[in-house]
Amino acid sequence: AQSVTQPDIHITVSEGASLELRCNYSYGATPYLFWYVQSPGQGLQLLLKYFSGDTLVQGIKGFEAEFKRSQSSFNLRKPSVHWSDAAEYFCVSNNAGNMLTFGGGTRLMVKP
Amino acid sequence: DAMVIQNPRYQVTQFGKPVTLSCSQTLNHNVMYWYQQKSSQAPKLLFHYYDKDFNNEADTPDNFQSRRPNTSFCFLDIRSPGLGDAAMYLCATSRDRGEETQYFGPGTRLLVL
Repeated sequence: AQSVTQPDIHITVSEGASLELRCNYSYGATPYLFWYVQSPGQGLQLLLKYFSGDTLVQGIKGFEAEFKRSQSSFNLRKPSVHWSDAAEYFCVSNNAGNMLTFGGGTRLMVKP
Repeated sequence: DAMVIQNPRYQVTQFGKPVTLSCSQTLNHNVMYWYQQKSSQAPKLLFHYYDKDFNNEADTPDNFQSRRPNTSFCFLDIRSPGLGDAAMYLCATSRDRGEETQYFGPGTRLLVL
């Protein structure tokens, strides 16, 4: 069965510091992968997605993610975090039937 | 702007009193989904419509029903809400099935008294 793992439940970084959120997937074929962000009390906003092609994908709000098949990873990065980035981040995969498999989420806190 | 809209954003109901949540979309997508998200958890798929074809997840309680009268609108009906049904309910759409991106609405937070 398909699974997505986000090893870090909580992460705290200082404003202006770099960020990397980890995501590992388990799937036989190359999955379709997404990162969504959810601010408190809000819906999920799509940050970026990987379907095929260039393994480094750029998203909104200065985020990027790199697909590494050898490590079964799709880590999210941002070079300089802003206080407004504090939110819950979900790594998500999509199987052929379009059913999403969510990671457990990583809650990001940003220190001033 | 094309989008997914959910109304109301906050809904308070009484234990056992039926409640309906609404979702509309201007994306003209074929597929609409309803998710339940409890505190500090990932969203859980309840069911989805592919056009008019209703697809229920195996573990979705019978208490939850859905209607899709046309392409743009989809409703979530909770026939007899229990305290355990208090959650955020998220609507999402995708252009088609398969490897497609899902676009989420802002959610409706349901409180059961």
